[in-house]
Amino acid sequence: GAGVSQSPSNKVTEKGKDVELRCDPISGHTALYWYRQSLGQGLEFLIYFQGNSAPDKSGLPSDRFSAERTGGSVSTLTIQRTQQEDSAVYLCASSLTFGDPEQYFGPGTRLTVT
Amino acid sequence: GEDVEQSLFLSVREGDSSVINCTYTDSSSTYLYWYKQEPGAGLQLLTYIFSNMDMKQDQRLTVLLNKKDKHLSLRIADTQTGDSAIYFCAERRDYKLSFGAGTTVTVRA
Repeated sequence: GAGVSQSPSNKVTEKGKDVELRCDPISGHTALYWYRQSLGQGLEFLIYFQGNSAPDKSGLPSDRFSAERTGGSVSTLTIQRTQQEDSAVYLCASSLTFGDPEQYFGPGTRLTVT
Repeated sequence: GEDVEQSLFLSVREGDSSVINCTYTDSSSTYLYWYKQEPGAGLQLLTYIFSNMDMKQDQRLTVLLNKKDKHLSLRIADTQTGDSAIYFCAERRDYKLSFGAGTTVTVRA
């Protein structure tokens, strides 16, 4: 079956602009996770969703970051007023349920802020 | 620094076994993972082990877990050129995965 998909695959934006990153989890997966991979910080957890609810937002780097999930499926990560330090690969993962150990990752969105 | 630590580089001859090591810090981690990342690609789940197990084998892959020493290893038998990639060790605490910095494995002919 289809895996986790993310769009766009690459995004170049100017500093100060807003960006939206999209994640389509594996069909039927109720848990969805966002991670960020950057040279300086490695792989870091950002936020997760159980259904449409995000119980813990403490991993988001600043209040410029927000995420939502609607219909228990697609999720959008929004970064407002982008800064150069936001440049990274944003990875989305999903699992069948919250307790399922198998998290499957998408190909990521490479964000470059100029 | 990283809570999960792994060596940065490993060079291995084609056909030999590769062993990648990892140490983690949280004894309450429920699962330990190995992910593979090829250039320009996302993370591929290779294998994982529940914390109450000490070994798991899956074809060419063998995972060993020493919970007392908080040490995890991945052995790849008969290493092939397609095994060249970055390998990430990760521990699961509650719902989130914490990753090491990754070990770049280079397979030479």
